Amino acid sequence: GAVVSQHPSWVICKSGTSVKIECRSLDFQATTMFWYRQFPKQSLMLMATSNEGSKATYEQGVEKDKFLINHASLTLSTLTVTSAHPEDSSFYICSATGLAGGTGNEQFFGPGTRLTVL
Amino acid sequence: GENVEQHPSTLSVQEGDSAVIKCTYSDSASNYFPWYKQELGKRPQLIIDIRSNVGEKKDQRIAVTLNKTAKHFSLHITETQPEDSAVYFCAAGRGGNEKLTFGTGTRLTIIP
Repeated sequence: GAVVSQHPSWVICKSGTSVKIECRSLDFQATTMFWYRQFPKQSLMLMATSNEGSKATYEQGVEKDKFLINHASLTLSTLTVTSAHPEDSSFYICSATGLAGGTGNEQFFGPGTRLTVL
Repeated sequence: GENVEQHPSTLSVQEGDSAVIKCTYSDSASNYFPWYKQELGKRPQLIIDIRSNVGEKKDQRIAVTLNKTAKHFSLHITETQPEDSAVYFCAAGRGGNEKLTFGTGTRLTIIP
């Protein structure tokens, strides 16, 4: 149980375009989802915390107007990278936690989306 | 906010020997400490976690120890095998649905 999927697994886009990444919890209700960015050979850097039905909380230094996050249901969160530029090329990973007493503290990670901006 | 430091950044161990990775954290309110294993291009996989009400937890060849007073916790892998080669991340958080802060990672290489 506790499976998280992401789509697409990889995407290549032109500079200036927008890209949407979906994160889904397949077999549990995800009250909270997290979006991370991971550059090569580096750690996971939290971008934002997303609670269902409310606005995301962004980490310091993350532009909320550039990285739009929507968490409209208990099983789906989306990250839209607007006006992408080559420096936005990275591995984007989501994770999800469920209702208390269910999945507890554990964050379940999606498989990641590799974004390349040309 | 929380700050997690992890050492060493790289570690090479002869197959069959033990590996130890150490982390320190700064937020005394943190009470959940997971360890993740990440293979190249793949998602992080939880291998073991510990909560602040215990000092040690073991799962077969993997163990984690926690010293809340000193604010540090360690991952111990015994009888290492080639498939243990990966990048390992520690993390710290306040539990529940609170965010995690990750360490910088340790690239573990098991030498056959």
